[in-house]
Order: sequence, then structure tokens, then C-alpha cells
Amino acid sequence: KAGVTQTPRYLIKTRGQQVTLSCSPISGHRSVSWYQQTPGQGLQFLFEYFSETQRNKGNFPGRFSGRQFSNSRSEMNVSTLELGDSALYLCASSLAASGRVPGELFFGEGSRLTVL
Amino acid sequence: AQSVTQLGSHVSVSEGALVLLRCNYSSSVPPYLFWYVQYPNQGLQLLLKYTTGATLVKGINGFEAEFKKSETSFHLTKPSAHMSDAAEYFCAVSLPIYNQGGKLIFGQGTELSVKP
Repeated sequence: KAGVTQTPRYLIKTRGQQVTLSCSPISGHRSVSWYQQTPGQGLQFLFEYFSETQRNKGNFPGRFSGRQFSNSRSEMNVSTLELGDSALYLCASSLAASGRVPGELFFGEGSRLTVL
Repeated sequence: AQSVTQLGSHVSVSEGALVLLRCNYSSSVPPYLFWYVQYPNQGLQLLLKYTTGATLVKGINGFEAEFKKSETSFHLTKPSAHMSDAAEYFCAVSLPIYNQGGKLIFGQGTELSVKP
């Protein structure tokens, strides 16, 4: 069974540009979450999508957005890039449909974004 | 608000020695608790989780953790370290609230080094 696939794995952008990152979840998983990992701030929750709807959102500015398609694939977009957006962006998928008990999150290898 | 504190950003042990990685949490309600491991240039992999029931949880690769509500702790242990255990370990919590399963709050991580 294929794991969570993130593309691209590495990318370099300049300040002011925008970027789109893609995540293909494990087949059958309907929940996709995004996290930002930096040396200074650690792992921070960006947002979660389930059945094409944003279910949860972290404390990030509106420059960070995402969406989920009917096949559960998800994209996140960062507009007007800043130097501080340089990070590893991790996507995780889960079987958990709803309710309180969390399903196991399966993480992809991440997309490493460098902003110059 | 929930938070997670991992005591010690770096822990070094000798091969065959006990591994103890400390995690304390703060939460308004008893949370669900997780330990993840991250190897260089890879995503996160779930080691173990506590949701309800037995407070001593066994995970993969010989790791286990004990939920102690009175101490608000969830320390990770392994009786005998192996060189392959060298990695970064993250403690995380999520709230047992409807539709919050995809949102994890992570600690800052503990890098484990294993000396031959």
C-alpha cells in the first residue's frame, strides 16, 4: 500500500512569490492535515481537511491556505512568501472519519521550502 | 490551551543502556497522547499512543510509555538502546473532542544519540 506522497520534495523560491505543495494521502484516507516544521518553532499545525472541508485551522496568517479535492488529494498554498516561511511542510493522512478518537496519522516525507 | 514540554532537547545514551525521554503535558481535559519518531530527511512515524484504558502502552521497536495523570506525564522508555534508535522523538497531544483528531500539538522534540 503506497504511503503519503508529497510533491515537490525540495523547492526554492524568492520573497514575494507564491508556492503550491501537493499531498496524496494513503488510499482510503479521507482526512489530510498539514504541519510546518522549523528549527525555531518546531512542529506546528496548519490545517486539516476532511471530505473537501476544512475541519480545523491553526494560528497561521491568511497567506497560508489549502484545499482538498474529491479524491482526498490536498494542496496547500502560501502566497507572498517571506523568509520565515522556509520550513519543512509535512502532510499527514488518517482514516479517522469523525468523532473524538483520533486515528493514527501517517506522515509523508515532507516538502522542504527554502525562501531566498 | 494545551501544551507539551519535552525535557532535554538532546539525550545521549550508550548502546544497551536504558532510554528515557521525558514528556509533560498541560491540558484542560485529559488528552490523547502520542510519541512519534523522525529519522533524518523523513516524515514522522507513530511509535505508540494512549487514548483510554491501560496506562502502560507498548509500541513498536521495543518502546513503551506510561500515562500518569497525577504527574501529567507520558515518558517514553526502552530498556536497551540500539544504534538504530538514534533519531528525533516527538511527544504530542490531541484533545478528545469531536473532530479534533487531526490536530496534534507537538513538543519541541528530543534528539536521541546512541554511542557504541
